[in-house]
Amino acid sequence: AQSVAQPEDQVNVAEGNPLTVKCTYSVSGNPYLFWYVQYPNRGLQFLLKYITGDNLVKGSYGFEAEFNKSQTSFHLKKPSALVSDSALYFCAVREYVKSGANNLFFGTGTRLTVIP
Amino acid sequence: DTGVSQNPRHKITKRGQNVTFRCDPISEHNRLYWYRQTLGQGPEFLTYFQNEAQLEKSRLLSDRFSAERPKGSFSTLEIQRTEQGDSAMYLCASSEGGWDYNEQFFGPGTRLTVL
Repeated sequence: AQSVAQPEDQVNVAEGNPLTVKCTYSVSGNPYLFWYVQYPNRGLQFLLKYITGDNLVKGSYGFEAEFNKSQTSFHLKKPSALVSDSALYFCAVREYVKSGANNLFFGTGTRLTVIP
Repeated sequence: DTGVSQNPRHKITKRGQNVTFRCDPISEHNRLYWYRQTLGQGPEFLTYFQNEAQLEKSRLLSDRFSAERPKGSFSTLEIQRTEQGDSAMYLCASSEGGWDYNEQFFGPGTRLTVL
């Protein structure tokens, strides 16, 4: 069975500072990992994914994520935070089911607040 | 590209009533998913369609829930005899077929409140 842990419910960072939102996972087989962002009253927006290859994945809005197989982590990062980055962030892993559904198994989310 | 759309955006109903939600996926996407999200939690998978075939159902999908995707286009999710525990945000997502790791695109959701 797979699992995703986002150990921090809330992350606060000053505008202009680097940000990190943590995610660890457990999955059998090759991990396909995703980050989504959710703004109030809006659906989830895809940020980036890791499939294979380079451990540093670049995504939308200047975000990137670092895959670490030995630590089973997939932390989301951004070099310089913007107030507009304040939102709810979800880490997800593809779930393995026989039907080939490829549905996502999500963490509980981390609320990022960027302080002006 | 209009993205994934869902209707209605909000639904308030009384316990015991039936409700139906609609999802229109991105037109070229043959995979469609329904998720449920409660406050403070991440989305939880409910069911999956590949074209018109419903291939996967979560144990969360009780007998009161039914989903369809006629002709492999839009999908509906019906909840019969609603209960207060059904109050949640219901999210629809779609993705292209072909690869196991294609990202899913989510609609804005339907927020259900059962009184």
